[in-house]
Amino acid sequence: SQKIEQNSEALNIQEGKTATLTCNYTNYSPAYLQWYRQDPGRGPVFLLLIRENEKEKRKERLKVTFDTTLKQSLFHITASQPADSATYLCAPQFSGGGADGLTFGKGTHLIIQP
Amino acid sequence: EPEVTQTPSHQVTQMGQEVILRCVPISNHLYFYWYRQILGQKVEFLVSFYNNEISEKSEIFDDQFSVERPDGSNFTLKIRSTKLEDSAMYFCASSDPQGDHEKLFFGSGTQLSVL
Repeated sequence: SQKIEQNSEALNIQEGKTATLTCNYTNYSPAYLQWYRQDPGRGPVFLLLIRENEKEKRKERLKVTFDTTLKQSLFHITASQPADSATYLCAPQFSGGGADGLTFGKGTHLIIQP
Repeated sequence: EPEVTQTPSHQVTQMGQEVILRCVPISNHLYFYWYRQILGQKVEFLVSFYNNEISEKSEIFDDQFSVERPDGSNFTLKIRSTKLEDSAMYFCASSDPQGDHEKLFFGSGTQLSVL
């Protein structure tokens, strides 16, 4: 069966450093992969989408890589700030037409310490 | 910025009662979704909806659940006879078929407590 693995432990990073979160998946080959941020008691918020033919994508302080051979995506936050503290969810997806439901990983809880 | 709105933010109900959770998706979006998140667990897909019919549903979405788009703006999730294990945060989401339809916009959720 399809499986999505994210760092199960909380990740503590000092402010100003780069935070790197990992998403591994098995038993399928997604056409694209999304990253979302979730704050306590709130809905997920879209951050970045990377397609299988893209190795890297950037948005401001965020960078995502997608290695289809390793079946892994890395999510980086550079110059991290306490406001970046949240749970980050990855969602590797097939390319489908229309309203495909996203399957999320359990998420990595990131804590940026001042 | 347009957003998905959900009402109520909290709903308390007795086991066996019916509940209806309401959502107003972003106005030009045509794909609609319900997800749930049990406390401390991951966000789980329930159902997707397009063109007035269910597009995809998960194993969780059994006969106790139904969805409806009763008018041009609302999207509802009904749970016919609630169980204790239905207690969760329920999120509605929508996406734009003309744009990046893979990108989902989520509401703030309805916290359902079944007593």
